Amino acid sequence: GESVGLHLPTLSVQEGDNSIINCAYSNSASDYFIWYKQESGKGPQFIIDIRSNMDKRQGQRVTVLLNKTVKHLSLQIAATQPGDSAVYFCAESESGGSYIPTFGRGTSLIVHP
Amino acid sequence: GAVVSQHPSWVICKSGTSVKIECRSLDFQATTMFWYRQFPKQSLMLMATSNEGSKATYEQGVEKDKFLINHASLTLSTLTVTSAHPEDSSFYICSARFSAANEKLFFGSGTQLSVL
Repeated sequence: GESVGLHLPTLSVQEGDNSIINCAYSNSASDYFIWYKQESGKGPQFIIDIRSNMDKRQGQRVTVLLNKTVKHLSLQIAATQPGDSAVYFCAESESGGSYIPTFGRGTSLIVHP
Repeated sequence: GAVVSQHPSWVICKSGTSVKIECRSLDFQATTMFWYRQFPKQSLMLMATSNEGSKATYEQGVEKDKFLINHASLTLSTLTVTSAHPEDSSFYICSARFSAANEKLFFGSGTQLSVL
């Protein structure tokens, strides 16, 4: 959902720790979910996606978990590095609609060396 | 991966002038492009959906006469902020996808607009 008027939640971790970023989505009909990483002053970059017929998907150092029962999505980053510092957004879309994704509020990840 | 190029990266203009932002898909044809607006420390707000060869679809609350969108080719969409005012200052981001049935979006690098 929108975060108009609200500051981004922040997650601070030490380099080497694992990070978990959470996202609650609103549309129970959404069946496709994407995590994006946005560095300051840049456009979002695709990280990983997952469809609703899965509950877990792994990439390089990242894992996305999907819990449709509670409409919750999480992004796990293993061995977090300073270069992972950015704002992370989840996005949901519905294949029965027009596939236009709705972006979540975003979480600012700060990795301390 | 697919590359979306957005220009300019930043622009400063005087109040009352118009500013054009370009969004190009460099290595694929994009039937659909999206324009977003982002305020500091906030999420992306969809402004409009741009379809090649047809009129853009604007989200509720977005003035179509203020934010003119043109998608004249499969690789280029432009957003023109007309008669810009300080409240239009924001980060504008475009994105593109291969087709209406492909959900994955590829984003441009964004344009920081500052209206004096």
